[in-house]
Amino acid sequence: DTGVSQDPRHKITKRGQNVTFRCDPISEHNRLYWYRQTLGQGPEFLTYFQNEAQLEKSRLLSDRFSAERPKGSFSTLEIQRTEQGDSAMYLCASSLVGTGVANEQFFGPGTRLTVL
Amino acid sequence: KNQVEQSPQSLIILEGKNCTLQCNYTVSPFSNLRWYKQDTGRGPVSLTIMTFSENTKSNGRYTATLDADTKQSSLHITASQLSDSASYICVVSGAGSASKIIFGSGTRLSIRP
Repeated sequence: DTGVSQDPRHKITKRGQNVTFRCDPISEHNRLYWYRQTLGQGPEFLTYFQNEAQLEKSRLLSDRFSAERPKGSFSTLEIQRTEQGDSAMYLCASSLVGTGVANEQFFGPGTRLTVL
Repeated sequence: KNQVEQSPQSLIILEGKNCTLQCNYTVSPFSNLRWYKQDTGRGPVSLTIMTFSENTKSNGRYTATLDADTKQSSLHITASQLSDSASYICVVSGAGSASKIIFGSGTRLSIRP
């Protein structure tokens, strides 16, 4: 399977714990995005990387959230001291800048986080 | 403020019928508009992408239209199938910033046999 993969698919944690999610983009894609999606809503932009550089962060990304893409390939999203309001689907997408298809994003299956 | 509004919020139709979903946006400057299909518990999958100069694009039974003057788009589904049951999300990209990729809340479509 050469699509975007995310791990884990589901995570249940207790409030106050730290969690880390992983995203493996399509191998030749240079951009990687993180989104958060709550029930009945569209995805909300969190942050994106071009290669290993984190170029933009949303104001939604509080100081408890940190994302990395150390080698310009896979990325991790860590949430520290989780709160119940962090419960959501966390989606990763990748794209290849410079192609003719208007920077189309390909999404992974998401990680569903439940904070108890 | 950059916004994407979709209607209706939800829709139920019988298998075999056609339907049209609407998307209005205020994102400016405009770069492109995409329609995604999202099955429950899965990531969105792209159906169509349109830039400023395109006013219609088809993908099988899905046909999207774009009126860049009125900032409106529609997604028409022909001869619906049970597998079309999903959320359909309109996504508008503004020029320049990745944070100007604005997602609508989606239309939840249910196809009944």
